[in-house]
Amino acid sequence: AQSVTQLGSHVSVSEGALVLLRCNYSSSVPPYLFWYVQYPNQGLQLLLKYTSAATLVKGINGFEAEFKKSETSFHLTKPSAHMSDAAEYFCAVTSSGGTSYGKLTFGQGTILTVHP
Amino acid sequence: DAGVTQSPTHLIKTRGQQVTLRCSPKSGHDTVSWYQQALGQGPQFIFQYYEEEERQRGNFPDRFSGHQFPNYSSELNVNALLLGDSALYLCASSPTRTLGSSPLHFGNGTRLTVT
Repeated sequence: AQSVTQLGSHVSVSEGALVLLRCNYSSSVPPYLFWYVQYPNQGLQLLLKYTSAATLVKGINGFEAEFKKSETSFHLTKPSAHMSDAAEYFCAVTSSGGTSYGKLTFGQGTILTVHP
Repeated sequence: DAGVTQSPTHLIKTRGQQVTLRCSPKSGHDTVSWYQQALGQGPQFIFQYYEEEERQRGNFPDRFSGHQFPNYSSELNVNALLLGDSALYLCASSPTRTLGSSPLHFGNGTRLTVT
């Protein structure tokens, strides 16, 4: 079984401030982890992925995430927020094998608001 | 290169009716998955198809069924619609040979409203 918990359904930051969106996962086998972004009335766009290579993963639009196995975390960060980053962010997990192979389990999402 | 395309974009149905949603995967992708995203929630896995067969299924009733065609496109059918079926239905595709490690590519979804 696998699950994802995103801490904080809403996060608000000022433009130029650090963005930190938290994600903790549970998986009985080595996980693959993803962050997706969703803009209003659109589908999901991949920001970055972890698939057992480097633990610090860089994605698009200046985002990065660090896989910490001991903490079962995969938090998303960006050093300086931009107004265009305002959207909903989803952390998702799938397994490298087993019954959940290829099936994504998503967190509840975090809405990021960026203030001028 | 066209990404994942879904049709229609919006749909309004009445309780008890049936609906069919359609999806064309990204070029080069042969696995199609469907997700339901209720308002304010994360997407929930419905089922996954490759080689024209349902390979995995989430916790959804038999009213939800699907099909994959030889050209890898897919349909999602929902029978006996309930108000609770109102949601954004997302289709995602990926290459079967790298399933799991390859990220899913999502379409923009079909917004279904049941009245």
